[in-house]
Amino acid sequence: LAKTTQPISMDSYEGQEVNITCSHNNIATNDYITWYQQFPSQGPRFIIQGYKTKVTNEVASLFIPADRKSSTLSLPRVSLSDTAVYYCLVGRDDKIIFGKGTRLHILP
Amino acid sequence: NAGVMQNPRHLVRRRGQEARLRCSPMKGHSHVYWYRQLPEEGLKFMVYLQKENIIDESGMPKERFSAEFPKEGPSILRIQQVVRGDSAAYFCASSPSRTGWNEQYFGPGTRLTVT
Repeated sequence: LAKTTQPISMDSYEGQEVNITCSHNNIATNDYITWYQQFPSQGPRFIIQGYKTKVTNEVASLFIPADRKSSTLSLPRVSLSDTAVYYCLVGRDDKIIFGKGTRLHILP
Repeated sequence: NAGVMQNPRHLVRRRGQEARLRCSPMKGHSHVYWYRQLPEEGLKFMVYLQKENIIDESGMPKERFSAEFPKEGPSILRIQQVVRGDSAAYFCASSPSRTGWNEQYFGPGTRLTVT
């Protein structure tokens, strides 16, 4: 499974767009990039998954450059309720390997 | 359609006692995964089960921990003779198929405290 590196924490303000970048230099050809969100005292929740270029859903967008060695999760117009830990995962195994994630703190 | 159910939500055990954690997957899901999360850490995979079968237990400690997913009823994670280091949040996830990377639905977790 490819190792990922993402910022430990980030602060932003309500209404702003937040971009969280994840590095995965040794991503394999068949690996997908997946992001999960975890609120305090809750289990993780799937946000978005992509393989290349751009993926968008009702929650977020995922930008993946051509070399796939990094990816950026974009959250449009964040609110206080977006305060959570965001995990970047790379692979396609049955079991999910979580790192420490990025603690996103949204300020009023 | 109810989500993944876990009970109890909070469990307190004294050192040496047994802890039993239950997980009912989403309706129609036959694949169950257990994860452990220590404070300020990410989740660590423990075991992956299908009905009546353990598929991957590479993350399970060699002693005191066991898991099952019987034909009927919830999946059970059992920890015998608990120690303080077992204090953590234990999450269960389920998926409808084996390729669970984007289809694992997590429960609310059981927070185990060993005193």
